[in-house]
Amino acid sequence: DIQMTQSPSSMSVSLGDTVTITCRASQDVGIYVNWFQQKPGKSPRRMIYRATNLADGVPSRFSGSRSGSDYSLTISSLESEDVADYHCLQYDEYPYTFGAGTKLELK
Amino acid sequence: QVKLLQSGAALVKPGASVKMSCKASGYTFTDYWVSWVKQSHGKSLEWIGEIYPNSGATNFNEKFKGKATLTVDKSTSTAYMEFSRLTSEDSAIYYCTRRGLRRVENVMDAWGQGASVTVSS
Repeated sequence: DIQMTQSPSSMSVSLGDTVTITCRASQDVGIYVNWFQQKPGKSPRRMIYRATNLADGVPSRFSGSRSGSDYSLTISSLESEDVADYHCLQYDEYPYTFGAGTKLELK
Repeated sequence: QVKLLQSGAALVKPGASVKMSCKASGYTFTDYWVSWVKQSHGKSLEWIGEIYPNSGATNFNEKFKGKATLTVDKSTSTAYMEFSRLTSEDSAIYYCTRRGLRRVENVMDAWGQGASVTVSS
């Protein structure tokens, strides 16, 4: 199975920060990486698809990028509503696999 | 508006089975595959498998083959997942989600609200 190594596992952040979360794929997955936001007690919400595309209704302060096998989610000017867990997903190959998740916490 | 409405929480005994449902609305049920995802310990996500409502074709994570059974009822636009021989390791929240007809299309763009399963005697 393809491993998605996500880092950091948690991050202490302040409002207005620029935050970057990274997933490294254990083998080539091309552009087939999504990013999800999950708030406590809620379902995941797709934020980024195909590595760099913003999903409908997602604020433009969110962006996705790729460098080789490293995929990043960046949040510019963090707002309070962005404090949540974030997960990456590869869907290039079965079984689809997720990163272990990143928890953002306010300082 | 796309909605995936899941059945409620379940408390089941070890060794038993549980069957949960996911009712789709707001889109053509047979135009999307339905996937199931497990979330343990409030954080990590695992893809269990998926079913294509039009034909009943399935794809599974090897880890869950023989554990999970996926079915659909096209007449009610409802997908089902049955989990058998439950142990404490199966206590988790289970989500249904969907993807488009092409394997890389609209992947997990909508999610159910989740169904909590607790395995306890």
